[in-house]
Amino acid sequence: NAGVMQNPRHLVRRRGQEARLRCSPMKGHSHVYWYRQLPEEGLKFMVYLQKENIIDESGMPKERFSAEFPKEGPSILRIQQVVRGDSAAYFCASSPRTSAGQYFGPGTRLTVT
Amino acid sequence: TQLLEQSPQFLSIQEGENLTVYCNSSSVFSSLQWYRQEPGEGPVLLVTVVTGGEVKKLKRLTFQFGDARKDSSLHITAAQPGDTGLYLCAGPIRNAGGTSYGKLTFGQGTILTVHP
Repeated sequence: NAGVMQNPRHLVRRRGQEARLRCSPMKGHSHVYWYRQLPEEGLKFMVYLQKENIIDESGMPKERFSAEFPKEGPSILRIQQVVRGDSAAYFCASSPRTSAGQYFGPGTRLTVT
Repeated sequence: TQLLEQSPQFLSIQEGENLTVYCNSSSVFSSLQWYRQEPGEGPVLLVTVVTGGEVKKLKRLTFQFGDARKDSSLHITAAQPGDTGLYLCAGPIRNAGGTSYGKLTFGQGTILTVHP
């Protein structure tokens, strides 16, 4: 059973460009969470999605950030007009139910130059 | 705000020594999870503790959930260089309305280095 997959593993963008981060959850997992790990900071919750629905986006910046989990295909975290402060590791986690442990992907390391 | 505080922040020990990492909060958690993260990788789930007073063992690792479900500890016996890594505790947090959805808050982590 494949684990959570994220791609790309590394992404370099210039200021003002768009970044698209992809996450395929573990088979059988319908709950997807995105977290951000800034340098020298801990992991912070961003958004929680189920298929075709954003359930909780309380941790996501109001502007430039969006997320989706379509009926078919991976979950996508989209950052428009990136700024240097967006440089971080972005992790996706999936779970079979909200009360269970979460399984993390290897992360996407975004660098904004 | 449900915060988790871990101590110590850094731990450097010799192979064969024992160690304990603590995770404390002023809030009650329905469960706590422990993860281990290596550089350049995502956190790997080690254990979930659910019941107050619960003790779980994973080879040389022993996890305990406090009776009041406000704290947890991770004890490693006879540490090995392969145990080196960042250890994180995490627990589900609730929105203002009381719903959780399983979103996690993390402690700042304990960086463990085990020297051969």
